[in-house]
Amino acid sequence: DAGVTQSPTHLIKTRGQQVTLRCSPKSGHDTVSWYQQALGQGPQFIFQYYEEEERQRGNFPDRFSGHQFPNYSSELNVNALLLGDSALYLCASSSLLKDTQYFGPGTRLTVL
Amino acid sequence: AQTVTQSQPEMSVQEAETVTLSCTYDTSESDYYLFWYKQPPSRQMILVIRQEAYKQQNATENRFSVNFQKAAKSFSLKISDSQLGDAAMYFCAYKRPDDKIIFGKGTRLHILP
Repeated sequence: DAGVTQSPTHLIKTRGQQVTLRCSPKSGHDTVSWYQQALGQGPQFIFQYYEEEERQRGNFPDRFSGHQFPNYSSELNVNALLLGDSALYLCASSSLLKDTQYFGPGTRLTVL
Repeated sequence: AQTVTQSQPEMSVQEAETVTLSCTYDTSESDYYLFWYKQPPSRQMILVIRQEAYKQQNATENRFSVNFQKAAKSFSLKISDSQLGDAAMYFCAYKRPDDKIIFGKGTRLHILP
């Protein structure tokens, strides 16, 4: 049983560019949440997707957007990249309102 | 707004000894979940233990146990018989009823051989 997977592992972009990160949830899960983890900090909630819709959102600008596909996989898009967007981006999957979210290995984004 | 506070940025423990990591949280909710996650240098966030707020019994998973004090809003993690593989960042996390998770800033645990 595959756990949560994310791609790519690492990514380097320049300021102003756009990036797309991908996540496949654990088998049986229908909900995907995205988190940003800056160096030395705890993860910060970006948004959550369920039934292909954004269910709730944290305090992130509209440059951060997402999508969920019918197979429950999800994408995180960030437009007009800033240096401050450099971070580890974590995806977590769960069944809606069940107790535990399971995390993927993360994508390390570096913005130069 | 809910907050999670881990007051110990770093801790060290001798191999085979016991260590306790502290966590306090603030919420007005009565029904919620609390978690401890471990993040080794590989970056993978691994669930260590979870506690349901309405259960008074403290959760235990092998060498890991919690001391959950709901009235004091305290949720500490005890690691017994510490092993070298326990070295990692440990995050305390609170899950709201709407499924959003709030993390603390983490405690880096060093295991001394």
